[in-house]
Amino acid sequence: GESVGLHLPTLSVQEGDNSIINCAYSNSASDYFIWYKQESGKGPQFIIDIRSNMDKRQGQRVTVLLNKTVKHLSLQIAATQPGDSAVYFCAENTKTSYDKVIFGPGTSLSVIP
Amino acid sequence: DVKVTQSSRYLVKRTGEKVFLECVQDMDHENMFWYRQDPGLGLRLIYFSYDVKMKEKGDIPEGYSVSREKKERFSLILESASTNQTSMYLCASSLPRTAEKLFFGSGTQLSVL
Repeated sequence: GESVGLHLPTLSVQEGDNSIINCAYSNSASDYFIWYKQESGKGPQFIIDIRSNMDKRQGQRVTVLLNKTVKHLSLQIAATQPGDSAVYFCAENTKTSYDKVIFGPGTSLSVIP
Repeated sequence: DVKVTQSSRYLVKRTGEKVFLECVQDMDHENMFWYRQDPGLGLRLIYFSYDVKMKEKGDIPEGYSVSREKKERFSLILESASTNQTSMYLCASSLPRTAEKLFFGSGTQLSVL
């Protein structure tokens, strides 16, 4: 069915280490994936996206990897900082209806100083 | 700077009350969305609108209705609030055909007693 899920609901990382947040999706028809970051008391904010014709995309300190074979998406954050503490959502755009975005349950990242 | 404003940060209502949640965006976006966010469930789409006076049901429209009389304003209405509608409500907007990149408001935490 159509669902986007995360492997771990919480993740604790030491400041300066790299973080990896995972996401599994089930709709092989999805062709666009997005990561959002939600800080406490705020709405989600767009971080990075990737289309299904790519397997890697890099931004500033963040990298998204897409493995279509196993329907897996990951977000890598380099040199994690306290300001990276937030809930991270992966989302997929499914073409079963016009412009429909499905969100996963979220992973809470805590950065240990 | 892009801005989506939700009229209330916190609301407390009683069962059976009619509740209005207001959302305004200043980006001239055609698309507007209402999500509810519950722990472990991620964001679920309630209703969306691609144009003034236009509305479409999302995944969980039961118990809700919406109004879009002006392009910049999208209202969510709980006709008769129930305790299971206690949740965080998030409004978002986007440009046409770019619903994946959503701009979110800060959310309204609604408690129905």
